[in-house]
Amino acid sequence: AQTVTQSQPEMSVQEAETVTLSCTYDTSESNYYLFWYKQPPSRQMILVIRQEAYKQQNATENRFSVNFQKAAKSFSLKISDSQLGDTAMYFCAFLYSGGGADGLTFGKGTHLIIQP
Amino acid sequence: DTGVSQDPRHKITKRGQNVTFRCDPISEHNRLYWYRQTLGQGPEFLTYFQNEAQLEKSRLLSDRFSAERPKGSFSTLEIQRTEQGDSAMYLCASSSRMNTEAFFGQGTRLTVV
Repeated sequence: AQTVTQSQPEMSVQEAETVTLSCTYDTSESNYYLFWYKQPPSRQMILVIRQEAYKQQNATENRFSVNFQKAAKSFSLKISDSQLGDTAMYFCAFLYSGGGADGLTFGKGTHLIIQP
Repeated sequence: DTGVSQDPRHKITKRGQNVTFRCDPISEHNRLYWYRQTLGQGPEFLTYFQNEAQLEKSRLLSDRFSAERPKGSFSTLEIQRTEQGDSAMYLCASSSRMNTEAFFGQGTRLTVV
C-alpha cells in the first residue's frame, strides 16, 4: 500500500512571496503519477499540477512548479509570486499506474494562508 | 457541461437511518470515483466505476455502503443504518482515463446525529 505524508499542517506567507510545500511518499512501485490538488474554502478539489514518475523533468504550470526526487520519494510544490487566491488546502496525491486499487492516495494536506 | 455535480450538498440524518447520495459526472467521462473526507484529513478512496462496472472497492467500505452506476452515467452511494462515524464529506470525481485529471464535485456533507 502507498502512503503520502505532508509534514506541514499549516503555512502562512505574505502575498508575492515564494512558498514551498513538502510531500513525501512511500511505495514499492516504479510506475506512478503524483499530483498536487488545491481545495479552496468552497471545497471543490482542483488539480494544480501533475508529474509522471518516468519523467525526470520537473513539471511546471505557470507560477506552480514541483521538485520531484524519485530516489528520495519526495515531491514538493513551489508557488512563486503567491496571490491571495492561492489560500486553500493543498493535497499531495499518489496514483499507481499499473492497476489494482485504482484510486488516488492523498496526504493529510497543508493549509496555506496568503497574507495581504 | 458544468462539471461534476453532487446532490444533496448537505444531509443531516438520525443514526440508524438510510441515506442516498447522487453524483452526475462530466458526460464524456467513463470513470467515476467516490471518496470520503473527514475533518483534517485528505480524501480516502472508497470505490470506482468504469462505465457501469464497479471495478474496485476499498477495504474501508463496510457492508452498509453500496454504490451503483446503472447506466454508466450518474452514480448513487447509499449508506444503510448510518452511524455517527459516517459523518464526513463524500466526494465524487470523474475522469476520462486513469492518468488524466480527475474532476471533483463539491461534495455532500453528511452529519449523523
